[in-house]
Amino acid sequence: SQQGEEDPQALSIQEGENATMNCSYKTSINNLQWYRQNSGRGLVHLILIRSNEREKHSGRLRVTLDTSKKSSSLLITASRAADTASYFCATDLFGGNKLTFGGGTRVLVKP
Amino acid sequence: NAGVTQTPKFQVLKTGQSMTLQCAQDMNHEYMSWYRQDPGMGLRLIHYSVGAGITDQGEVPNGYNVSRSTTEDFPLRLLSAAPSQTSVYFCASSYRAGLGELFFGEGSRLTVL
Repeated sequence: SQQGEEDPQALSIQEGENATMNCSYKTSINNLQWYRQNSGRGLVHLILIRSNEREKHSGRLRVTLDTSKKSSSLLITASRAADTASYFCATDLFGGNKLTFGGGTRVLVKP
Repeated sequence: NAGVTQTPKFQVLKTGQSMTLQCAQDMNHEYMSWYRQDPGMGLRLIHYSVGAGITDQGEVPNGYNVSRSTTEDFPLRLLSAAPSQTSVYFCASSYRAGLGELFFGEGSRLTVL
């Protein structure tokens, strides 16, 4: 069973616009991570947010975590064509790196 | 550093054949793991290892064996391939379990006929 579920499944935006995707999960977690996957490539770690944190920033990325709603969001500001990829959230229940991934959000940034 | 290296990148097997997917990392990472990625299913954990000589099962271990004789290598063995094992396989590592981000290889695409 999938712990994390991303929404929407697909997103198409113009370059320069912001992209927001959400992740919901079912059980308490130690941390939640976001990864990017370009077509045909491996996953690349973007950001990790711990259960006692509410918001983190990294460059054009902003991640929020609401443990009461068991949800997280990833915001990409001022998107670029190079941001075209699939984005996955992954939950770590116990802090032991046994990550459970959602099905991903496919983002298309049109130039 | 090469990071996490997986071989082969592509493989076609017939049902019942066996093979080994290789994974090597040169970052001195203690933690290594194998995931499979199927359309619409995200990634699912097959097996993992927290150090040389220690392995454990993940969410979908049936049909797969692993061993960890060295820190660098973590091969995944399919003893008798089945069409249900058609997937893209990813090896991932971390400096130590619990230290956050995983570093992924580029994947091995396996087709079982």
